[in-house]
Amino acid sequence: DTAVSQTPKYLVTQMGNDKSIKCEQNLGHDTMYWYKQDSKKFLKIMFSYNNKELIINETVPNRFSPKSPDKAHLNLHINSLELGDSAVYFCASSQNTPGADNSPLHFGNGTRLTVT
Amino acid sequence: DAKTTQPNSMESNEEEPVHLPCNHSTISGTDYIHWYRQLPSQGPEYVIHGLTSNVNNRMASLAIAEDRKSSTLILHRATLRDAAVYYCILPGRGSTLGRLYFGRGTQLTVWP
Repeated sequence: DTAVSQTPKYLVTQMGNDKSIKCEQNLGHDTMYWYKQDSKKFLKIMFSYNNKELIINETVPNRFSPKSPDKAHLNLHINSLELGDSAVYFCASSQNTPGADNSPLHFGNGTRLTVT
Repeated sequence: DAKTTQPNSMESNEEEPVHLPCNHSTISGTDYIHWYRQLPSQGPEYVIHGLTSNVNNRMASLAIAEDRKSSTLILHRATLRDAAVYYCILPGRGSTLGRLYFGRGTQLTVWP
């Protein structure tokens, strides 16, 4: 009964390929996020969706395209993968939108993407 | 946006209390102080948050200075499982309202 689950856990691929990471939350939350943690361990917000609508896009290259088929799912599709995309990608969810209140974020355990 | 400053690393022995400091001198009157931690190979985990008064929950206590320019996360009895990176965060303001930006955090090592 994992709250926020991501698949796959590991993803190894070559430059130029297109790949997707899936995320699902069973907490009934309205808002979902993608964060990226690079090799220096900095954790940066990428996107956020609230009830299937994009509310945050932190100047991420347009090779990254999030898609939210329903409020329990937020997938991340990456086109033309580059070496610099290698990182751990975390999905998260919260009850409300950022700023609406201080509802905590619940994170998944990450997807380690390695681009060779 | 308000920034936070934390020591890069701290150490503790098992079963001893741990006080993790955070400075946030540019905090505004409505900024909540949030703490998360990240255990090895896991996603960040919410610990606690507070505005003015000291806060307690099953994981930790948060002591907030009277002028709110600093706070301390208190783990009452450290366990090996508490070894993690602890992040002190102030949510964004204005166009980045409510967003959580994670800094480097404090790497806590717990010795048996």
